[in-house]
Amino acid sequence: NAGVTQTPKFRVLKTGQSMTLLCAQDMNHEYMYWYRQDPGMGLRLIHYSVGEGTTAKGEVPDGYNVSRLKKQNFLLGLESAAPSQTSVYFCASSSRVQNTGELFFGEGSRLTVL
Amino acid sequence: AQRVTQPEKLLSVFKGAPVELKCNYSYSGSPELFWYVQYSRQRLQLLLRHISRESIKGFTADLNKGETSFHLKKPFAQEEDSAMYYCALSGAPGNTGKLIFGQGTTLQVKP
Repeated sequence: NAGVTQTPKFRVLKTGQSMTLLCAQDMNHEYMYWYRQDPGMGLRLIHYSVGEGTTAKGEVPDGYNVSRLKKQNFLLGLESAAPSQTSVYFCASSSRVQNTGELFFGEGSRLTVL
Repeated sequence: AQRVTQPEKLLSVFKGAPVELKCNYSYSGSPELFWYVQYSRQRLQLLLRHISRESIKGFTADLNKGETSFHLKKPFAQEEDSAMYYCALSGAPGNTGKLIFGQGTTLQVKP
């Protein structure tokens, strides 16, 4: 039972490069989220999705794009990476039906932008 | 504005001592509050939610609407409680998975 899987787990980029983080969940959850975790700032929501084909901005969306072409996948893209995007990125999913507020998290992806 | 504040970055206690991790929130409505925990080399996971009023691993948290607080308490800390703890607020009725997190508090339980 994999739950939420993120790839890659580590990545180093140069300023201006682009990359995509992939999140996959096997729990048939409707809702998916991308958070970033920074020291002293907790987790901040970047973008989220309430269903296949839909996305919405969170608290810190600038510099990121997302896509939800399939229910089980949620992609986070950085078109032109900046050092300020150095962070640990967490994907999470939750059930609309149960709607308990419980998020299921991936293991995190550590991104360094030089 | 909706906000969650955890005033302590680090809380260090000895094994067997009581623990209280503070959480204050700002929300104009009926809040749904949660505590999440991240143990070393493990995923962030739900510890407890205020609506279920349960005790998990000896931890409890009571919602105090007058003081807008949701402090996490345990009477006797154990070394295995050492972890990062996040208080979180549901910011969207109908989509309670959209959470606003506090800054996090690292709990260190010394032997």
